[in-house]
Amino acid sequence: EAQVTQNPRYLITVTGKKLTVTCSQNMNHEYMSWYRQDPGLGLRQIYYSMNVEVTDKGDVPEGYKVSRKEKRNFPLILESPSPNQTSLYFCASSLFRDRAADTQYFGPGTRLTVL
Amino acid sequence: GIQVEQSPPDLILQEGANSTLRCNFSDSVNNLQWFHQNPWGQLINLFYIPSGTKQNGRLSATTVATERYSLLYISSSQTTDSGVYFCAVATTSGTYKYIFGTGTRLKVLA
Repeated sequence: EAQVTQNPRYLITVTGKKLTVTCSQNMNHEYMSWYRQDPGLGLRQIYYSMNVEVTDKGDVPEGYKVSRKEKRNFPLILESPSPNQTSLYFCASSLFRDRAADTQYFGPGTRLTVL
Repeated sequence: GIQVEQSPPDLILQEGANSTLRCNFSDSVNNLQWFHQNPWGQLINLFYIPSGTKQNGRLSATTVATERYSLLYISSSQTTDSGVYFCAVATTSGTYKYIFGTGTRLKVLA
């Protein structure tokens, strides 16, 4: 089954404790992206990647890191989480044909709480 | 940067009613998508529609790129249509960032 998976689905942590949220897709997609969703603000893009070893900042990259060492994986790293990073996080991927990002497929989301 | 506005912010319908959701954007785009977030938080893509008209069952969408808006039509609404509808655009500026609108929250009453 074609899908985007994220782990963990729920996470409660404390300020300053490094964490990684994994994202994997099995559709051979080139474009992958991370978003956070906060009440009243919709979804905001954190980072995106157009291919292996190619990443770029979205609108809210501060406090986050990403890497794209393999095509299928795009982990989100919070080196020193803070309470304002409490949010619902989504990973997404798309085929990215002809250099125009097309339909995005979303993972199930990761609800993160930072105490 | 590009601004994306959706209207109305909230909508309550009786089952069977029709509705139109609107997405306005402030600059040229090379990608526009509509998504539905169901009450369990799952995001489902509905349409990839940077221009033109598409239909899928009771849903259809039209994007008029020259006038910078897109419309999502829901006909004969059902309670399962409830949730939040988002439009998202990617610009022609050379980057491939996505900007989402803040959504239209739809509730369909039985």
